[in-house]
Amino acid sequence: GEDVEQSLFLSVREGDSSVINCTYTDSSSTYLYWYKQEPGAGLQLLTYIFSNMDMKQDQRLTVLLNKKDKHLSLRIADTQTGDSAIYFCAESPNTGNQFYFGTGTSLTVIP
Amino acid sequence: NAGVTQTPKFQVLKTGQSMTLQCAQDMNHEYMSWYRQDPGMGLRLIHYSVGAGITDQGEVPNGYNVSRSTTEDFPLRLLSAAPSQTSVYFCASSWSHNTGYSGYTFGSGTRLTVV
Repeated sequence: GEDVEQSLFLSVREGDSSVINCTYTDSSSTYLYWYKQEPGAGLQLLTYIFSNMDMKQDQRLTVLLNKKDKHLSLRIADTQTGDSAIYFCAESPNTGNQFYFGTGTSLTVIP
Repeated sequence: NAGVTQTPKFQVLKTGQSMTLQCAQDMNHEYMSWYRQDPGMGLRLIHYSVGAGITDQGEVPNGYNVSRSTTEDFPLRLLSAAPSQTSVYFCASSWSHNTGYSGYTFGSGTRLTVV
């Protein structure tokens, strides 16, 4: 399968910015996604970016895509304690019928 | 607007028992899938379906069966439970895999313990 890699843990102080990084392998992916999982819950789609875009901003969230390096990042501005969760990146290659998820990054926000 | 409904939320099985995890969606999604989530391993695809009557294996299919007799339902059957199947199971659906934006909608999960 595809390799989608993320660091496992990130801690930030409340009010700071968080940056969660992801590398993926399939350059044919049309869309790349960020999902958020709160404790005891399923994953919720947070945002996505189309592969012909470099950046997408949605309120406190900024997604950056570097297709050359196959690198995706999610920046959360003014991080709040409610942002503490596991964040997964995912790609959906144009060949085959599968999504590929990263291992997830557990974000802890310190008050 | 139920979305994706999974039952049960929690289950304890003895080794060798069989059971079915239920998944139903009311969004007329073509694509449905089952994942298991284990610590440090992210989500791993068990089986998926691109439409009623069509199923295929994912990354970790051994010990599991699926069927898709209707668009709405996609049950996952554990044939003979083993401790290695202790995990959190998620069902997810989307409009389609290959046509444009098609992010997943996830169920809330089933936490399974095999003793």
